[in-house]
Amino acid sequence: DTGVSQDPRHKITKRGQNVTFRCDPISEHNRLYWYRQTLGQGPEFLTYFQNEAQLEKSRLLSDRFSAERPKGSFSTLEIQRTEQGDSAMYLCASSMSGGQGYTFGSGTRLTVV
Amino acid sequence: QKEVEQDPGPLSVPEGAIVSLNCTYSNSAFQYFMWYRQYSRKGPELLMYTYSSGNKEDGRFTAQVDKSSKYISLFIRDSQPSDSATYLCAMRRMDGQNFVFGPGTRLSVLP
Repeated sequence: DTGVSQDPRHKITKRGQNVTFRCDPISEHNRLYWYRQTLGQGPEFLTYFQNEAQLEKSRLLSDRFSAERPKGSFSTLEIQRTEQGDSAMYLCASSMSGGQGYTFGSGTRLTVV
Repeated sequence: QKEVEQDPGPLSVPEGAIVSLNCTYSNSAFQYFMWYRQYSRKGPELLMYTYSSGNKEDGRFTAQVDKSSKYISLFIRDSQPSDSATYLCAMRRMDGQNFVFGPGTRLSVLP
């Protein structure tokens, strides 16, 4: 297992376009998290899945954001009608129930122009 | 006031120095504490994980938690240039799943 994989690594999109990111967690991990990180700040929680169920969503996750984890394996994060304020690094992490801490992926850097 | 505060640095030290990194927090319900290291344009990498108050040592790294003061620390002994990175503290409540991160301290270890 090579850890948490995220695709793409970089995405440049025009304002108003929709984008989708993918995360493949460590295979035996049943929990999956999405965070957003802007320059000079720590990661901010967006949402979390246990298996295929989305159990918690942050107020940061506006109606333009949607996340799915079909079959409890990989996850996608979609942003509709992107805005310049959406420019950030989107980080995915996974863990086991009762595990200590997360394993993060390398992130997807989104630039909205 | 943010829930988790951290001096952003940058902090520059000579190779071999002992480094002290700190975070303060306001939510007394936090019970689990972590330190992550993040290299430029990479995801955070877990360094230390502690529960409640006390010390934990792992190689050159020591984590301390003082819940009475709402203060946590990470000490790095015999610092190396490869330790140059941003160090993030993170913490969560007993009944929560998401961690709250500090803004990170940028460390440079000069050869």
